[in-house]
Amino acid sequence: SQTIHQWPATLVQPVGSPLSLECTVEGTSNPNLYWYRQAAGRGLQLLFYSVGIGQISSEVPQNLSASRPQDRQFILSSKKLLLSDSGFYLCAWSLERDTEAFFGQGTRLTVV
Amino acid sequence: KQEVTQIPAALSVPEGENLVLNCSFTDSAIYNLQWFRQDPGKGLTSLLLIQSSQREQTSGRLNASLDKSSGRSTLYIAASQPGDSATYLCAVRPGANNLFFGTGTRLTVIP
Repeated sequence: SQTIHQWPATLVQPVGSPLSLECTVEGTSNPNLYWYRQAAGRGLQLLFYSVGIGQISSEVPQNLSASRPQDRQFILSSKKLLLSDSGFYLCAWSLERDTEAFFGQGTRLTVV
Repeated sequence: KQEVTQIPAALSVPEGENLVLNCSFTDSAIYNLQWFRQDPGKGLTSLLLIQSSQREQTSGRLNASLDKSSGRSTLYIAASQPGDSATYLCAVRPGANNLFFGTGTRLTVIP
């Protein structure tokens, strides 16, 4: 069966520090991968998606970047965090457009 | 741009009641609609997926319907239990690369 792992679960980082969040998927090949952010009291916002290794599309301009170094690995990064980067970050995967999307357990990022 | 609305934002019901959660979307050109459950501080758990060609899907006490032409979906929960307390999110997929989410309905089932 397929599983998705995200880590860390929680993270407190000072302003200006770098960020690296990792997401891996097991049990499937060539998934579409997504990074979402959920701000308090707001809906989920798509940040990045990837349809293959090295292929990254950004949905919103921001202080973050994403990379996909391996088929089932998706990394969210920042060189210098801002206070506004605080939030709940969720990784997700799906196969074709008419299949279910599955989410990881999320990372709670607090920038102080 | 696709917009997804969920009403009500919060709902409290006594245990054992049947209830309906509503989801509406502005653009009917979708591939599918998916209902999720989110517990506090946790990720999303997929509940039901309805393809654009389908009218409803059922899983246990849950039944989701889709009326694509009117841009509406409902999630029916039968015989609610305290363990059903969570936030319920609906999302529509207009293309291969995105899901548009509503802001959710926070459900509390009172024992």
